[in-house]
Amino acid sequence: DTGVSQDPRHKITKRGQNVTFRCDPISEHNRLYWYRQTLGQGPEFLTYFQNEAQLEKSRLLSDRFSAERPKGSFSTLEIQRTEQGDSAMYLCASTKEAAANYGYTFGSGTRLTVV
Amino acid sequence: GENVEQHPSTLSVQEGDSAVIKCTYSDSASNYFPWYKQELGKGPQLIIDIRSNVGEKKDQRIAVTLNKTAKHFSLHITETQPEDSAVYFCAASSYSSASKIIFGSGTRLSIRP
Repeated sequence: DTGVSQDPRHKITKRGQNVTFRCDPISEHNRLYWYRQTLGQGPEFLTYFQNEAQLEKSRLLSDRFSAERPKGSFSTLEIQRTEQGDSAMYLCASTKEAAANYGYTFGSGTRLTVV
Repeated sequence: GENVEQHPSTLSVQEGDSAVIKCTYSDSASNYFPWYKQELGKGPQLIIDIRSNVGEKKDQRIAVTLNKTAKHFSLHITETQPEDSAVYFCAASSYSSASKIIFGSGTRLSIRP
């Protein structure tokens, strides 16, 4: 297992188009998180899954955003009708559910540019 | 909800000197404080963490301290090297918030040769 994988690494799209990103977490990790990072800022929480259940969504996640983790393994994040403000790095992270907190393992992210 | 503030936003130190980054948090329920290092084009990488039942933790050249009463925590890097140049993020989370990690805004550390 080589860690958390994200695909694609870069995506350029025209405003109004739909885009979908994929995240493959570390295999034994049952929690998966999506974050968004804009230039010069720290990552901001978007949503998280425990196995296939989406348990929390941030108010940052507008109706144009949807995330799935259908079999409790990989996850997808779709943005519909992209806007220029959606340009950011989208980070995926995974961790084991545990009685105590553990740090996440992040992927390298998908950089989205909306033109 | 939790709010994490981080200072300074940029820091430049001479190679071999020490660097200190400071953070404060707002939620007294937070009990886990990780630090991440992010290099250009990569995702954040966990470098050290501390839990609320510990006041200090050290790993080679890096150390973290936690003052629960003041809600302050700090990262100390000694004998800095060029490869320490990166953006560093402090963060906080609590088990009650499903381990959702809230990040500070980051410190860009530059090591001068």
